[in-house]
Amino acid sequence: QQQVKQSPQSLIVQKGGISIINCAYENTAFDYFPWYQQFPGKGPALLIAIRPDVSEKKEGRFTISFNKSAKQFSLHIMDSQPGDSATYFCAARFGNEKLTFGTGTRLTIIP
Amino acid sequence: GAGVSQSPSNKVTEKGKDVELRCDPISGHTALYWYRQSLGQGLEFLIYFQGNSAPDKSGLPSDRFSAERTGGSVSTLTIQRTQQEDSAVYLCASSLERLVATQYFGPGTRLLVL
Repeated sequence: QQQVKQSPQSLIVQKGGISIINCAYENTAFDYFPWYQQFPGKGPALLIAIRPDVSEKKEGRFTISFNKSAKQFSLHIMDSQPGDSATYFCAARFGNEKLTFGTGTRLTIIP
Repeated sequence: GAGVSQSPSNKVTEKGKDVELRCDPISGHTALYWYRQSLGQGLEFLIYFQGNSAPDKSGLPSDRFSAERTGGSVSTLTIQRTQQEDSAVYLCASSLERLVATQYFGPGTRLLVL
């Protein structure tokens, strides 16, 4: 049973636009929601994370929006740049348990 | 080095052969994870080590897969009698302790089974 559903599978955005990636979860006990960024040939790296006691977290051009009632959270990349082209994974965790990852979104920023 | 290292970076093997993949976690990290990433797919959890506790092996896909962590540091993932469906990138990650969710990933080992 997939506990974290991620969409879209791939996304193409023009330079300067807003990239939006969505995730939905099933386990209401999840209490930590990170996003990882993976460039080709590299391992994933933590990008930004949020806990359910806040509805939004912003770090530079990256923002997580969290909707606890809908059990959804999303990553917004403002002023998207070609260097943002990568695969993005959402994840969720409950307490001491291991992270559960989404299936990933391949983002391509075109000039 | 400062990050998680994995070796080899690439491995090509024949069906039926055994392979060993190595992970050197960040010094001082007590938690170590193995994941598998198939082409275009997400991260599939395989196994998790935390200190001296019994490892969480719930993600291992078959008994052909096993892993060890010696001295609480280096880990080896072994795949016996490899099959073509084992072809994937095997990623290792480590973290300071179980309560800390920031996992630092290595670059992965790309395994191709012919």
